[in-house]
Amino acid sequence: DQQVKQNSPSLSVQEGRISILNCDYTNSMFDYFLWYKKYPAEGPTFLISISSIKDKNEDGRFTVFLNKSAKHLSLHIVPSQPGDSAVYFCAASGDSGTYKYIFGTGTRLKVLA
Amino acid sequence: EPEVTQTPSHQVTQMGQEVILRCVPISNHLYFYWYRQILGQKVEFLVSFYNNEISEKSEIFDDQFSVERPDGSNFTLKIRSTKLEDSAMYFCASSNRGSSYNSPLHFGNGTRLTVT
Repeated sequence: DQQVKQNSPSLSVQEGRISILNCDYTNSMFDYFLWYKKYPAEGPTFLISISSIKDKNEDGRFTVFLNKSAKHLSLHIVPSQPGDSAVYFCAASGDSGTYKYIFGTGTRLKVLA
Repeated sequence: EPEVTQTPSHQVTQMGQEVILRCVPISNHLYFYWYRQILGQKVEFLVSFYNNEISEKSEIFDDQFSVERPDGSNFTLKIRSTKLEDSAMYFCASSNRGSSYNSPLHFGNGTRLTVT
């Protein structure tokens, strides 16, 4: 049962342009959503999060948008830089009675110089 | 910035052997986790640990797996009798949900376990 889905396994973007990574979830109990970035041979690094009481959260070049009615969130990176090339995972938590975070399958972003 | 540290970075073991993966979570964190990632696949939840006991575990976390916090700083994952399919990257993570319900996980760099 895949509760958090990232339907695009990969994405290529030109340097300086916007990268948009998408994530869908099925569990309406989720109320906290996170994006992580992962380089090879390293652990996931926390990027940005959003709670379900908001629809947007911004941190520098990174903005996360949440559409609760569509059960969809997205991560915008503007402008994209070659160092942003990595695998991006979305994650969700908040299902009643659980402390675990459920991760999506990841999207590999390649920013072309 | 405080970090989660994991040792060893790579562990090779023979099928049927026991392995212990070690982690030092961030010192003021209260919730501890193990996740794993089989090559190219998603990051899968194994177990969460709070107040010196398991708070939740997945179906992957069967009787061959155990966790322990033997002292105030270390958090270990033991696999009693390893199988080939246990080969994966194992990530330790911690969070401080005690101060805020919405608190991100912070991950270590992982231990690559290879079972031959």
